[in-house]
Amino acid sequence: EVQLLESGGDLVQPGGSLRLSCAASGFIFSNYAMSWVRQAPGKGLEWVSSISGSGGSTYYADSVKGRFTISRDNSKNTLYLQMNSLRAEDTAVYYCAKYGSGSYYDPFDYWGQGTLVTVSS
Amino acid sequence: DIQLTQSPSFLSASVGDRVTITCRASQGISSYLAWYQQKAGKAPKFLMYAASTLQSGVPSRFSGSGSGTEFTLTISSLQPEDFATYYCQQFNSYPLTFGGGTKVEIK
Repeated sequence: EVQLLESGGDLVQPGGSLRLSCAASGFIFSNYAMSWVRQAPGKGLEWVSSISGSGGSTYYADSVKGRFTISRDNSKNTLYLQMNSLRAEDTAVYYCAKYGSGSYYDPFDYWGQGTLVTVSS
Repeated sequence: DIQLTQSPSFLSASVGDRVTITCRASQGISSYLAWYQQKAGKAPKFLMYAASTLQSGVPSRFSGSGSGTEFTLTISSLQPEDFATYYCQQFNSYPLTFGGGTKVEIK
């Protein structure tokens, strides 16, 4: 059974940093591209970033480019999102999502339960 | 960026009703469209891809159609567990984008 378990969400001040983690199990982690998707309170879904199975290529939304870094440790079956220079508009539930294949051009077939990041003074 | 416009944004319906949600893309995306269902306080759940191919375990009352720029999600007979918010998503090009969502509520 595929499981994705996010952690690391917290209350942080504007300008601060946070690292999210997503522990994966139930599939061969290194074979699949992975992504982070966020949802601001009461709002819709927004794609944030994606990484290939090897970790060798990444994509970012313009809204986070230069501030967020996606990475993965395939030996630990874990996906990360390093978030720097946080802004109030980054407040959201952050979901870890698995692509349906190793390709970037696939839907997300499994999602974690989400972790809440609140940026506020 | 490809914009996805869902309509309606809100829908009130009764158990047993046939419900159709539309998703329009700002440019052609072939069949690179997925639909997700999200219940309050829960993560999204993958329903179908390639505009019309149901994910394993998704009830057959759900169906999808379309290609290019116009897509539909249909629930043939709405069940109590179907009351949720539905999102379309394009995976034709980056940045990946989602529609604004359609909330289906009980009449």
